[in-house]
Amino acid sequence: DTEVTQTPKHLVMGMTNKKSLKCEQHMGHRAMYWYKQKAKKPPELMFVYSYEKLSINESVPSRFSPECPNSSLLNLHLHALQPEDSALYLCASSHGLAGLAGMSEQFFGPGTRLTVL
Amino acid sequence: SQQGEEDPQALSIQEGENATMNCSYKTSINNLQWYRQNSGRGLVHLILIRSNEREKHSGRLRVTLDTSKKSSSLLITASRAADTASYFCATRQGAQKLVFGQGTRLTINP
Repeated sequence: DTEVTQTPKHLVMGMTNKKSLKCEQHMGHRAMYWYKQKAKKPPELMFVYSYEKLSINESVPSRFSPECPNSSLLNLHLHALQPEDSALYLCASSHGLAGLAGMSEQFFGPGTRLTVL
Repeated sequence: SQQGEEDPQALSIQEGENATMNCSYKTSINNLQWYRQNSGRGLVHLILIRSNEREKHSGRLRVTLDTSKKSSSLLITASRAADTASYFCATRQGAQKLVFGQGTRLTINP
């Protein structure tokens, strides 16, 4: 199985809602990532988990809260979001983090299209 | 800040023609990767070229790397309508971060 799955595909939420994005992979990858992508822009890294521990937080506002319950699952909990948080949220995984050979390829899910009203 | 810069930002060609996209980066690298993204979808890894490689092929894709100029190019030969997508180069920044270039939006006209 070489697939990263993400649910839901689309999400519309109000600024007072609490919701969660889910990501799952069964490739045995030990590094997982959350990216945010605005229209016509490249993905921007938000969080990195390595062996279920948070490795990188790119100064993301606390209204985004990541969680890695086990090696196959990655969640992104959303609370009190702003309209400017509307974007495509992408999850990715890789065999591991960078080694002597550099960064390994990342496998991306299809994304969750989030709209905040 | 984004390490990779790509040009052109947008490219429109006829089906069957070749498409070339360029990427420049700023710091030394171990490898450089190219990804494709169909509209509103996830990214798909296309090819990885190591810093000690100058050229690499995969099917209709040809990637070159010039570390002295800190640049790479992606050539797609005999383009097809299904190649319509955005293409991003990506390099490592810092310890564990993959940074994407601004991307080239490629349109293949039938």
